[in-house]
Amino acid sequence: GIQVEQSPPDLILQEGANSTLRCNFSDSVNNLQWFHQNPWGQLINLFYIPSGTKQNGRLSATTVATERYSLLYISSSQTTDSGVYFCAVEGGGGSNYKLTFGKGTLLTVNP
Amino acid sequence: GAVVSQHPSWVICKSGTSVKIECRSLDFQATTMFWYRQFPKQSLMLMATSNEGSKATYEQGVEKDKFLINHASLTLSTLTVTSAHPEDSSFYICSTRRYLNTEAFFGQGTRLTVV
Repeated sequence: GIQVEQSPPDLILQEGANSTLRCNFSDSVNNLQWFHQNPWGQLINLFYIPSGTKQNGRLSATTVATERYSLLYISSSQTTDSGVYFCAVEGGGGSNYKLTFGKGTLLTVNP
Repeated sequence: GAVVSQHPSWVICKSGTSVKIECRSLDFQATTMFWYRQFPKQSLMLMATSNEGSKATYEQGVEKDKFLINHASLTLSTLTVTSAHPEDSSFYICSTRRYLNTEAFFGQGTRLTVV
């Protein structure tokens, strides 16, 4: 099946700093999403972005499908941005619409 | 507002008992729902795909007799952990989407502790 690798696994920032999280995948994809998992476990949808670039406030994401990677940018980070960020993909061709998750990036934003 | 509602949020049960987790699609009819399991500090692993009106499809290594899935209506899927043991303690999350190849939405998750 499709492989998803996220980097870095851990990231510690001071409030106000910017960061870039990366998601590499091993095959073509029909679907790619970024999630933020809050301390209670809830997965918050950030972006549905199988290709192209999107922005939502301080967050933006870019997926270059032909090169099999996606980037999540967080600008002017806040303590509330802390948590685990997951990239999940649905492989193209016979994937049965399953989402495969990366191992996540644990982000800690210190005041 | 929430698209997917999952209950209960947490449950503690004794070894040998069964626990039922409900997942409701609030905004649309969901012919397909997905059940995931997450161990502490790990990623989400797909357990099974729940199909309305038919049998669920289980991922390799997932015991279908241990994790019973019922998808009797277009808005409700249930996961029953039968004869639960401490090793079944985990975080279980359901998911659905309006149309395949579109954005997936997740429930709040259920934290199961078996004592």
